[in-house]
Amino acid sequence: AQSVTQPDIHITVSEGASLELRCNYSYGATPYLFWYVQSPGQGLQLLLKYFSGDTLVQGIKGFEAEFKRSQSSFNLRKPSVHWSDAAEYFCAVAERFSGNTPLVFGKGTRLSVIA
Amino acid sequence: NAGVTQTPKFQVLKTGQSMTLQCAQDMNHNSMYWYRQDPGMGLRLIYYSASEGTTDKGEVPNGYNVSRLNKREFSLRLESAAPSQTSVYFCASSEARGRTTYQETQYFGPGTRLLVL
Repeated sequence: AQSVTQPDIHITVSEGASLELRCNYSYGATPYLFWYVQSPGQGLQLLLKYFSGDTLVQGIKGFEAEFKRSQSSFNLRKPSVHWSDAAEYFCAVAERFSGNTPLVFGKGTRLSVIA
Repeated sequence: NAGVTQTPKFQVLKTGQSMTLQCAQDMNHNSMYWYRQDPGMGLRLIYYSASEGTTDKGEVPNGYNVSRLNKREFSLRLESAAPSQTSVYFCASSEARGRTTYQETQYFGPGTRLLVL
């Protein structure tokens, strides 16, 4: 069964610093890959997704993610973090040839931003 | 266009009580989902409905039932609430027009916070 690992439970960065959130998946073939963000007290919102093609994907709010097949990773990056980016971030994967096998979410990484 | 709406926002139940969480979407989406979110556990799928008239179990269906009332509405029922069901519940929907359901972007509601005493 596929699984998603987000190794960092909580990360703190300074405003203006760069950010990288890690995501690794376990699956035999390249899955569909997603990053969602959850602001405090809110539902989840899609940041970006990868289905095929260019392995560097651009998303909303200045985020990007890079798919690396050799490392089974889909890390999320942002060059300069803003205080409003403080939230919880979830990586998720869906099997490519599975019919309706459910989307699997990682446990999330909470991002704190300090001045 | 409200997207995905959920009622109630908050609820406190006693053990053994029943309740229904309501979810509606106005995006004409075919697929709808119920998740629960617990600290350190991420989101876990309870039930989903790939299309109107169908429902399927997810990862953690025990203690829950669902009804896909029509294309817009998907309700989650707790018949006899237990403290282990204290959680935040999210409803989501996706378009899924004739394609594999989980290729699609899911749109989430704001959540229902449930406390079972």
